[in-house]
Amino acid sequence: GENVEQHPSTLSVQEGDSAVIKCTYSDSASNYFPWYKQELGKRPQLIIDIRSNVGEKKDQRIAVTLNKTAKHFSLHITETQPEDSAVYFCAASLSSSGSARQLTFGSGTQLTVLP
Amino acid sequence: DVKVTQSSRYLVKRTGEKVFLECVQDMDHENMFWYRQDPGLGLRLIYFSYDVKMKEKGDIPEGYSVSREKKERFSLILESASTNQTSMYLCASSLSSAETQYFGPGTRLLVL
Repeated sequence: GENVEQHPSTLSVQEGDSAVIKCTYSDSASNYFPWYKQELGKRPQLIIDIRSNVGEKKDQRIAVTLNKTAKHFSLHITETQPEDSAVYFCAASLSSSGSARQLTFGSGTQLTVLP
Repeated sequence: DVKVTQSSRYLVKRTGEKVFLECVQDMDHENMFWYRQDPGLGLRLIYFSYDVKMKEKGDIPEGYSVSREKKERFSLILESASTNQTSMYLCASSLSSAETQYFGPGTRLLVL
């Protein structure tokens, strides 16, 4: 099955600086890569996703890049703000059964934005 | 607005007890999922379902079973709870062929 590794496990940045979280996946057949944000005590929520036919996607201060050859993808947050502090999970989707798309998640990154 | 709810936020059970965790979604989603979340391990898929009465094993199904008798409801069952099943359990749902999964608030289960 798919295996997703995520680094770093913790990341502290000064407010206004950029943050980068990296993930690698094992199966070259994976074709969908979402990122979820989980604030303390809250449920995970999708913040951005990318498909394998695209190399980069941006949404305001958040961007995701995908390198299919190297099998890695990254989340970039620019101009970080205190409300960006959360746990971020990457995921990769390899297969579907029926109509359901299975996600394999990374282990998570605790991002802390210091004021 | 998608709403996914779980029957309990916190649950304390004894070893050997049968435990039911329920998840309900109100958006007519075909797909429903059960994950457990443990520190340093991320979210791991236990079981999922793409239709009523259909179920598929995820990555860690041992010790768990599921039931989906109605489209909106997906139950996770621990037949005989063990201490290593102490965890946060998250339910999610998604539309048919859509990728975005919407999560419930989670149930924190403690097995003593």
